[in-house]
Amino acid sequence: GAVVSQHPSWVICKSGTSVKIECRSLDFQATTMFWYRQFPKQSLMLMATSNEGSKATYEQGVEKDKFLINHASLTLSTLTVTSAHPEDSSFYICSASVPGMGGETQYFGPGTRLLVL
Amino acid sequence: AQKITQTQPGMFVQEKEAVTLDCTYDTSDPSYGLFWYKQPSSGEMIFLIYQGSYDQQNATEGRYSLNFQKARKSANLVISASQLGDSAMYFCAMSRGSGNTGKLIFGQGTTLQVKP
Repeated sequence: GAVVSQHPSWVICKSGTSVKIECRSLDFQATTMFWYRQFPKQSLMLMATSNEGSKATYEQGVEKDKFLINHASLTLSTLTVTSAHPEDSSFYICSASVPGMGGETQYFGPGTRLLVL
Repeated sequence: AQKITQTQPGMFVQEKEAVTLDCTYDTSDPSYGLFWYKQPSSGEMIFLIYQGSYDQQNATEGRYSLNFQKARKSANLVISASQLGDSAMYFCAMSRGSGNTGKLIFGQGTTLQVKP
């Protein structure tokens, strides 16, 4: 089946530092990946669409200069949280659709828990 | 605007019994997809079942079935023969925009607890 991985699974950092999260499609190529954020006990909220070879598109209210997205290859998208602050602490999860399956189903990575001290 | 609503914050079910998790949606797009995902405490999102807006039959996947009532704009998930491992958070989701864009909007989620 389609596998999406994320690294790291956990990260703790000091306020003001930048954190990079990787999202990889392991057994398929993904021209488009999506980044979501989930606060405890809440639903997933779409942050941005990561497009291979072009700029990401951000949802309303998401700061593109704070959440940098790079989709340099067909199997890798990265999300960098710049100058992280405690309010950025959250669960970040990426997804990708599998080509040839009509694109209906999004497969999610295991997520990355970020804690900013 | 599109919207997904799950009105049951928490549900209990006895092991081996069936349970229905409610989901209603609102959209003006003629083409859309409806999904259910399971999120255990580990956080991963596990795809369970998909229903396309033009699908004539209700989707089924093993013990999961989706009760799709288009006129009522509901897409309830039915889990038959509940197992202890089914205890998790369940999210209903809809693809955003006309057709499939890959973007999903999620409901608030329902926490299901299966009692032995």
